Amino acid sequence: AQSVTQLDSHVSVSEGTPVLLRCNYSSSYSPSLFWYVQHPNKGLQLLLKYTSAATLVKGINGFEAEFKKSETSFHLTKPSAHMSDAAEYFCVVNSNYQLIWGAGTKLIIKP
Amino acid sequence: NAGVTQTPKFRILKIGQSMTLQCTQDMNHNYMYWYRQDPGMGLKLIYYSVGAGITDKGEVPNGYNVSRSTTEDFPLRLELAAPSQTSVYFCASKLGETQYFGPGTRLLVL
Repeated sequence: AQSVTQLDSHVSVSEGTPVLLRCNYSSSYSPSLFWYVQHPNKGLQLLLKYTSAATLVKGINGFEAEFKKSETSFHLTKPSAHMSDAAEYFCVVNSNYQLIWGAGTKLIIKP
Repeated sequence: NAGVTQTPKFRILKIGQSMTLQCTQDMNHNYMYWYRQDPGMGLKLIYYSVGAGITDKGEVPNGYNVSRSTTEDFPLRLELAAPSQTSVYFCASKLGETQYFGPGTRLLVL
């Protein structure tokens, strides 16, 4: 069965410093993986997705993620945090007809 | 395209009341989903549908029912509201491997 674990419930960084949000997955086959973002009291927006093409995936707003099969990881990164990045981020794995969601990582940006 | 729309945006229910959360998509997607999101948690799948006339249970279906008479509409029914159903409900449709979400319905059961 597929599962996904987000290793940090909260991540706090200063504006202008790099962001790393960690995600490990478990899958019996080559999965499709996603990162979604949810700003406070807003809906869900797709940041990026991996579907067995290039292992380094670029998304919106300067985010990118690298699929590492040997480590079963799909960490999300951004070189320089902006105040507008403050939100909840969800790592998601595709399982047949369903998406399996991580518990989320709240990204806090310090001025 | 309006995408995925949900009504109402917010509702307060008394214990034991019933209600229907509406979801409509205008993208002609076959796959549709209902999720709930509890505070500080990820989304949990309630029900999903792979096309008109076909529905199936997700991870947390108890206390809910769905129907899918058309491709566009996928209403979620709560028959006897309980405080445990206080949550934010998201409807989504899917094309390929990408899901498109509605803005959510915030439900409070008192």
